[in-house]
Amino acid sequence: KNEVEQSPQNLTAQEGEFITINCSYSVGISALHWLQQHPGGGIVSLFMLSSGKKKHGRLIATINIQEKHSSLHITASHPRDSAVYICAVRSGYGGSQGNLIFGKGTKLSVKP
Amino acid sequence: GAGVSQSPRYKVAKRGQDVALRCDPISGHVSLFWYQQALGQGPEFLTYFQNEAQLDKSGLPSDRFFAERPEGSVSTLKIQRTQQEDSAVYLCASSLSFGASGLYNEQFFGPGTRLTVL
Repeated sequence: KNEVEQSPQNLTAQEGEFITINCSYSVGISALHWLQQHPGGGIVSLFMLSSGKKKHGRLIATINIQEKHSSLHITASHPRDSAVYICAVRSGYGGSQGNLIFGKGTKLSVKP
Repeated sequence: GAGVSQSPRYKVAKRGQDVALRCDPISGHVSLFWYQQALGQGPEFLTYFQNEAQLDKSGLPSDRFFAERPEGSVSTLKIQRTQQEDSAVYLCASSLSFGASGLYNEQFFGPGTRLTVL
């Protein structure tokens, strides 16, 4: 079983729809990241959070430490939001030295 | 530019060839990470440096993989005798420092080097 599971793997939405991507993890963490990866490989960090909720523009990220679950929401989705969204956790324990453990990503396609 | 840069962006190698991938982290960033991302998969940890010290290399898949950061800034990932299974995007990330928590620990990623081994 992967330590970080994302769902769904693929998501197609119509422009304007509200989108939710889920992430569950099985390890103890010190932080969780939501990352955006466009074709060509570049990764942009959207959020880093360890509790509660963060909002930036149309993006909202929440985390429930007790349930080991996080969600990324996109309001009023737009075709330019089309990308792969990756959940990654930083365990910060033992010998890991804070490296990230990644989910496999959710490929989002927003149709006009 | 102020971001993490990597070179080359694309590399095609013949099986058995040695390759060297370069990462220029953000100036002043203490921590540097290398990740390997196979097609359709999430990135996986390879190795981690704090300044010039390689503190964790547990993710390197074989002794053909070697990474260095001799002066605590630029890092090079070297792959000897490349195999087809080495084909992947190699991502470098840096962060200001390592600590238990805090915004300054956010990792900033480079654009990656796409390695194709024929």
